[in-house]
Amino acid sequence: EIVLTQSPGTLSLSPGERATLSCRARQSVSSSYLAWYQQRPGQAPRLLIYGASSRATGIPDRFSGSGSGTDFTLTLSRLEPEDFAVYYCQQYGGSPPRYTFGQGTKLEIK
Amino acid sequence: QVQLVESGGGVVQPGRSLRLSCAASGFTFSTSGMHWVRQAPGKGLEWVAVISYDGSNKHYADSVKGRFTISRDNSKNTLFLQMNSLRAEDTAIYYCAKEGYSYGLPWGAFDIWGQGTMVTVSS
Repeated sequence: EIVLTQSPGTLSLSPGERATLSCRARQSVSSSYLAWYQQRPGQAPRLLIYGASSRATGIPDRFSGSGSGTDFTLTLSRLEPEDFAVYYCQQYGGSPPRYTFGQGTKLEIK
Repeated sequence: QVQLVESGGGVVQPGRSLRLSCAASGFTFSTSGMHWVRQAPGKGLEWVAVISYDGSNKHYADSVKGRFTISRDNSKNTLFLQMNSLRAEDTAIYYCAKEGYSYGLPWGAFDIWGQGTMVTVSS
């Protein structure tokens, strides 16, 4: 089973700043099957990025995803107040298929 | 409006059973793979199970295999999760989620989520 490790655990930044979140896998992940989610307190997760770099419907272009192999990144170019939340990466693969999540990165207001 | 609405959660004793439902609307349910994902209090997300669009293929996380069963009724646009032999560690919010697709190809990601239903396993 592929293990995803997200870093940092907590990221403290101010509105307007740039945020860079990392997701690393112990073994290579198909870029086609790496996704990022945002979860605000008390809400369900929301898909931000799929296929490592494709934005989901309605997601602002300040969110971008990149990476391949074992290293993936979610970048928020200019933080808005509503962006402070927990972010999860997730991958799909294997036989039988498995869907695994990273442990999450909390983005908090500095 | 695309929507998933879960129901059936509650408090149950260890070893007992519970059945969750997820009502879908606003999209073609019968052509979509569907999932259950759970989140223990204060913890991260854990994928639980997936079912193919027609119910012919099902896969489970090791933590629930042999105890949980995913199913669907396409005539009623409803997804189910039968949970047997419940344990304290099954306590979580259970979300149903839709598989995302582009040109019929699955994303391996979940593009629509319900609001979740809480399951508490406690004596």
